[in-house]
Amino acid sequence: ETGVTQTPRHLVMGMTNKKSLKCEQHLGHNAMYWYKQSAKKPLELMFVYSLEERVENNSVPSRFSPECPNSSHLFLHLHTLQPEDSALYLCASSQVTGGGQPQHFGDGTRLSIL
Amino acid sequence: GQSLEQPSEVTAVEGAIVQINCTYQTSGFYGLSWYQQHDGGAPTFLSYNALDGLEETGRFSSFLSRSDSYGYLLLQELQMKDSASYFCAVSLTGYSTLTFGKGTMLLVSP
Repeated sequence: ETGVTQTPRHLVMGMTNKKSLKCEQHLGHNAMYWYKQSAKKPLELMFVYSLEERVENNSVPSRFSPECPNSSHLFLHLHTLQPEDSALYLCASSQVTGGGQPQHFGDGTRLSIL
Repeated sequence: GQSLEQPSEVTAVEGAIVQINCTYQTSGFYGLSWYQQHDGGAPTFLSYNALDGLEETGRFSSFLSRSDSYGYLLLQELQMKDSASYFCAVSLTGYSTLTFGKGTMLLVSP
């Protein structure tokens, strides 16, 4: 059980669909993150929000669109995805960004693109 | 670019001690973190080293040598539940986010 909840846990979608991933943290943290985890690859940081402002965007294709309406919620809107986008998408939060601040992860959304 | 190297897989038996190494080549360095991830689960924070030396937390210890760009995670009295993937991650500055290694899968057998 973690303080970071992600929904849905599994998602199958076609390349032309639009869907959204949701993340909610109950820890009172100020920073939230989206990561992509593919087999045999390091966790890839996609987006970072600090106090609801995007502070980092690691060259992620525009078919991924993040939204952070408040410090407790983070969304990842998906549109016209490609088969190589199939992966585990992890949300995390920390008290603040940077340094050795522990990041608390959700269980992830397993995304499959048909 | 940033590079973190760790073994892809390590095997050990229950009750043993295992060391998972991590070497890094990065443009900056502020600290080294370790995370554990069970299959199908969320990564969980284990430890953080900003200064040289050994940090001990129960059965787990983490070591850092900044001059050697090297760290390791030491797991003692191994249990079956320790079978998981272990990731090292570098903070490049005090304000930057984490850069992760590819992970080491630890298999503990009876």
